[in-house]
Amino acid sequence: EIVLTQSPATLSLSPGERATLSCRASQSVSSYLAWYQQKPGQAPRLLIYDASNRATGIPARFSGSGSGTDFTLTISSLEPEDFAVYYCQQRSNWPRGYTFGQGTKLEIK
Amino acid sequence: EVQLVESGGGLVQPGGSLRLSCAASGFTFSSYAMHWVRQAPGKGLEYVSAISSNGGSTYYANSVKGRFTISRDNSKNTLYLQMGSLRAEDMAVYYCARDRPLGLYYYMDVWGKGTTVTVSS
Repeated sequence: EIVLTQSPATLSLSPGERATLSCRASQSVSSYLAWYQQKPGQAPRLLIYDASNRATGIPARFSGSGSGTDFTLTISSLEPEDFAVYYCQQRSNWPRGYTFGQGTKLEIK
Repeated sequence: EVQLVESGGGLVQPGGSLRLSCAASGFTFSSYAMHWVRQAPGKGLEYVSAISSNGGSTYYANSVKGRFTISRDNSKNTLYLQMGSLRAEDMAVYYCARDRPLGLYYYMDVWGKGTTVTVSS
């Protein structure tokens, strides 16, 4: 089973700053990686798919990069609504399931 | 509007059973594989189960295999999760999600708001 490890566990930044979140896979997942945002009391929301493509309606300040085992989610200039928990996720070939990283909490400094 | 609405959560004793439902609307339900994902209080996301669009193929996480059964009724646009032999560690918010082809692969693009399962005596 592929394990996804996210770092850091918590990131403390101020609005307007740049955020860089990391996700490392235990073996190559090619570019089949997604990023989700989850705010308290809400369901996760798809941000990025195929490692670097923004989902519908996602602002341009969110960008993803990487392939193989190392991936990055970058938020270029933090808005107040961006403070949340972010998860990376990969999926093995059907019918095997998805794997989530443990999450990075982005908090206001 | 594409929408998923979970129901069926509640309080159940250890060892008990519960059936969750996920009602889909706004899209052709029978064309999509579907998933259940859960989140224990204060914890991260845990993948639980998946079912193919026609129900012919299923997947279970090791933590629920043999105790949970995923199914669907495409005539009713509804996904189910039958949970049995419930344990304290099954206590969580349970989300259903749609599996959609995007770009190179498939991703969970629509999620319900979740239903809460509490396991306690």
